Amino acid sequence: DTEVTQTPKHLVMGMTNKKSLKCEQHMGHRAMYWYKQKAKKPPELMFVYSYEKLSINESVPSRFSPECPNSSLLNLHLHALQPEDSALYLCASSQDQEAGVRGNIQYFGAGTRLSVL
Amino acid sequence: EDKVVQSPLSLVVHEGDTVTLNCSYEVTNFRSLLWYKQEKKAPTFLFMLTSSGIEKKSGRLSSILDKKELFSILNITATQTGDSAIYLCAVETGGSEKLVFGKGTKLTVNP
Repeated sequence: DTEVTQTPKHLVMGMTNKKSLKCEQHMGHRAMYWYKQKAKKPPELMFVYSYEKLSINESVPSRFSPECPNSSLLNLHLHALQPEDSALYLCASSQDQEAGVRGNIQYFGAGTRLSVL
Repeated sequence: EDKVVQSPLSLVVHEGDTVTLNCSYEVTNFRSLLWYKQEKKAPTFLFMLTSSGIEKKSGRLSSILDKKELFSILNITATQTGDSAIYLCAVETGGSEKLVFGKGTKLTVNP
């Protein structure tokens, strides 16, 4: 099973709203990722959590706030977003880099299509 | 700066054709190269390549890596309309969990 589950599938929000995106995996993976993907572009890395600790923040604006409550769950809290933040938000997970496995496959969820009005 | 370049960016073929997609890279501390297929939403994993010259194969798809010349190819034989998708190449660099993605090749297979 290589399933990463994301909810909701679609989200429309106003610029003053607060909402959260959720991601869940039960593969025992210890690294989890948030990506942003605009139309006709490759995914852009936003955040990486390794062993439930934030290890990479790609200079993402503070209106995006990640949270990793436990090793299976990853949230992305959204507040005061701008219309240009409209995109497909992808979550991914992988085995830990430190496990000694050569190569580290990231498995992606189906994404949340976010529209900011 | 780490860089992954895919070519062509777009390709239109007829069912039954064979296609070759290219991926070249310039990265520090190469660890692995991955191919993904993206239809409407989630990129789905196809292959991970770490060693030169060893072909990975899955049905009509195959891929190989050349670490000396810094490129990989993805071959699809006897293409079907269901192969229509964007094919993403990504390189994993050692010492970080980052994937560096290419811009993708959009493949359209017409009946």
